[in-house]
Amino acid sequence: GAVVSQHPSRVICKSGTSVKIECRSLDFQATTMFWYRQFPKQSLMLMATSNEGSKATYEQGVEKDKFLINHASLTLSTLTVTSAHPEDSSFYICSASGDRDAHYEQYFGPGTRLTVT
Amino acid sequence: AQSVTQPDIHITVSEGASLELRCNYSYGATPYLFWYVQSPGQGLQLLLKYFSGDTLVQGIKGFEAEFKRSQSSFNLRKPSVHWSDAAEYFCAVLSLGGGYNKLIFGAGTRLAVHP
Repeated sequence: GAVVSQHPSRVICKSGTSVKIECRSLDFQATTMFWYRQFPKQSLMLMATSNEGSKATYEQGVEKDKFLINHASLTLSTLTVTSAHPEDSSFYICSASGDRDAHYEQYFGPGTRLTVT
Repeated sequence: AQSVTQPDIHITVSEGASLELRCNYSYGATPYLFWYVQSPGQGLQLLLKYFSGDTLVQGIKGFEAEFKRSQSSFNLRKPSVHWSDAAEYFCAVLSLGGGYNKLIFGAGTRLAVHP
């Protein structure tokens, strides 16, 4: 149980275009979803947290207008990188958390490798 | 502010040898602590977690960790390492409050295993 998927696993896009990444909780309802960014050989940096039906809460320094997050249902959150540039190339990982009684445990997706050319 | 320190960036061990990965945290209250493993190009898999109770926590894949409040540490151990354990290991503390909760990760320790 507690499986989280991401789609696509890899995406290459041209500079200036937008790309959408989906994060789905397959077998549980995710009241909260998290989006992380990971640079090569570095740790995970939290970008934003979203609760279903609410606006996302962005971490300091993360551009809200560039990284659009939508959490429209209890099983789906999307991250749209708008007007992508090469510096946006990174590994994006989502995680999902369900019932608070689960001790706030986060279940991670397999990640999406974004390359902007 | 809450933080997690993993002092060792890289560790290399021989297959069959014991392993200890260090983790120190800074957190005002009783911490919720986690260890995750990440294989190349993959997401994170939870190895074990500590919330309360017994300070020695058993996890998957033969890993264990010990919470030591006096040392603000949560070191990960394995008595005999397998080649498949080569990966990146992250320690994390859960930051509670402010309307939502978030994980704060350490920088990670990359484990290499020699045959």
